[in-house]
Order: sequence, then structure tokens, then C-alpha cells
Amino acid sequence: QQQVKQSPQSLIVQKGGISIINCAYENTAFDYFPWYQQFPGKGPALLIAIRPDVSEKKEGRFTISFNKSAKQFSLHIMDSQPGDSATYFCAAPGGSTLGRLYFGRGTQLTVWP
Amino acid sequence: EPEVTQTPSHQVTQMGQEVILRCVPISNHLYFYWYRQILGQKVEFLVSFYNNEISEKSEIFDDQFSVERPDGSNFTLKIRSTKLEDSAMYFCASSLLRGGDNEQFFGPGTRLTVL
Repeated sequence: QQQVKQSPQSLIVQKGGISIINCAYENTAFDYFPWYQQFPGKGPALLIAIRPDVSEKKEGRFTISFNKSAKQFSLHIMDSQPGDSATYFCAAPGGSTLGRLYFGRGTQLTVWP
Repeated sequence: EPEVTQTPSHQVTQMGQEVILRCVPISNHLYFYWYRQILGQKVEFLVSFYNNEISEKSEIFDDQFSVERPDGSNFTLKIRSTKLEDSAMYFCASSLLRGGDNEQFFGPGTRLTVL
């Protein structure tokens, strides 16, 4: 089994600010931690993922930081924009090799203009 | 860009009725998944499927659920006798490679409403 704990549940940030969402996991067969972005009425879409042979991965304004010893990873959104307003889910693989993903409860991000 | 498609976008059914949710995964993908999301809650894994067999299923995926790949393109989820608590968004996903460390592409979902 796998538990993925995500916080905060909701986040309000002003345009240009930094949004930070945190996740913690229990165990995993793989070091692979994706973040999904979901807009209302749409399916989750992969935003960024890390395979932690590195402790940080950056793609544009989005950065994942990973702390393997603490079993925690976080998403940082720099220069947050109103178009970033969405629900963000972290996920982690389970203990098997079969592809099941365990999702966090989601963070509803609102970026005010 | 290739994408996962799902039909219908919204399905309303009476409790006890059978429903079939349809998905067309990305064409060269080999691994298929169903997830569901009850309103306001997290996305939950239901089942994974490869080579015409279930690879893994969750505790949610009981005897009322079944999956099938009836032809080379479609992947279906059947709920035999729907319950009120089956009301949720159902997402199909596919991946090229096996394993939890390979990107899963999600479809737009089917909203199932059980009355």
C-alpha cells in the first residue's frame, strides 16, 4: 500500500508570487514522482515529473524539489499566473512494478491577478 | 498530439443498471488504466490492463466491475449493477511502457451519475 499526503488543500497566491505544494509518501518501488495539473472538467495532465537521481528538476517556472531521506517532494511555481489556477495532484508509484499510481488529495490553487 | 479519448462525456443511469464506459488509448500504448474521482476527492486507481489481462486491481474493483479490450483500439469499463456510490468521474489512462515510473496519459473523463 501507499499513502500520499498532500498539503495545503487550497492555496491563494497573488500574481507573480511563489506557489508551494508539498507531498509526502510512505514507500515506493520506483523513484518517480509526477505532478499532475487538472482544470475543471478535464482529466489530469502531467505537468512535471522527477526521477530522483537528482534532488531538483526545473522546467520553466515549475520546479520539483525532492528529499529522499524525508520521503518528501514539493512543487514550486515561480511567478504564478492566473492561468496556473487549477488543481494540482502529486502522485507516487506503489510498491509493485505494475504501474499503479497513488494520488494525493489535491491542492486547489487560485492565482489572483 | 496523440491523446486518450473517452465516450460518453456524461452518462446518467438508474441504480441497478449496467453501464459501459469507453476509451480509446493512444495508439501505440500497451498499458491501460482506469481511475475514478469522486467529486472533490482524490483520483483513485481502479485497474491496470496489459496483454488482454488485468495486471492489478484495487479494492474498489470488485465483481461488479470488468474491463475489456474488445478490438485493437477500444478499452472499456463495465459496471454491471450501478450503485449510487459509483457516481464519479472515470478516467482512462494509457502508457507506452510498464511500470509506475512511466508517464500515464489521461483522457478527459466520463462523468457517471447514478440516480
